[in-house]
Amino acid sequence: DQQVKQNSPSLSVQEGRISILNCDYTNSMFDYFLWYKKYPAEGPTFLISISSIKDKNEDGRFTVFLNKSAKHLSLHIVPSQPGDSAVYFCAAGTFLGGGADGLTFGKGTHLIIQP
Amino acid sequence: ETGVTQTPRHLVMGMTNKKSLKCEQHLGHNAMYWYKQSAKKPLELMFVYNFKEQTENNSVPSRFSPECPNSSHLFLHLHTLQPEDSALYLCASSQDRGLPYGYTFGSGTRLTVV
Repeated sequence: DQQVKQNSPSLSVQEGRISILNCDYTNSMFDYFLWYKKYPAEGPTFLISISSIKDKNEDGRFTVFLNKSAKHLSLHIVPSQPGDSAVYFCAAGTFLGGGADGLTFGKGTHLIIQP
Repeated sequence: ETGVTQTPRHLVMGMTNKKSLKCEQHLGHNAMYWYKQSAKKPLELMFVYNFKEQTENNSVPSRFSPECPNSSHLFLHLHTLQPEDSALYLCASSQDRGLPYGYTFGSGTRLTVV
């Protein structure tokens, strides 16, 4: 059973507009959430993270929002740029409260930025 | 070299072969991981090593055998694999459990079992 779900396999957004990528999770023990970006033929690279004690974290054009009651997080990219075209993975783990090592990943969303 | 390096980048092996995947990190991290990425599936955690000790084994079949001789090197020994084991195998490292910057991944080994 998937504990981290990204229900949109792909998303197409026009350059300059906002990209919103969504992620849902089922394990209420998760207390830390991360977004990774992956280009073809490369490994995933860390983008931004948020702990469960916060509901928002911002880093430049990237903002992650966490809604714990809904077990939902989203990544906002604004403005979207051509170099943002990649696969985005949502990941979650139990860090602050102990628990098993290792992150649990979603299937990824392929973001395509159109000129 | 910097970061996490995985070799080989591509590997084709028969079901009766024995091969090994290698991962090396130059970041001074103390935890290393093996993940498997199959088509249309999430990245699946296989093994976790912390200070060279295996702390997680996510019900991985015994035909996959990890080895962590030191904090900088991680191997995945493969034998008598099945075609469904064909996937991208990713190695990652982190300092402790990976807060707040998560893991650093290698580029992966694309494995094809024929």
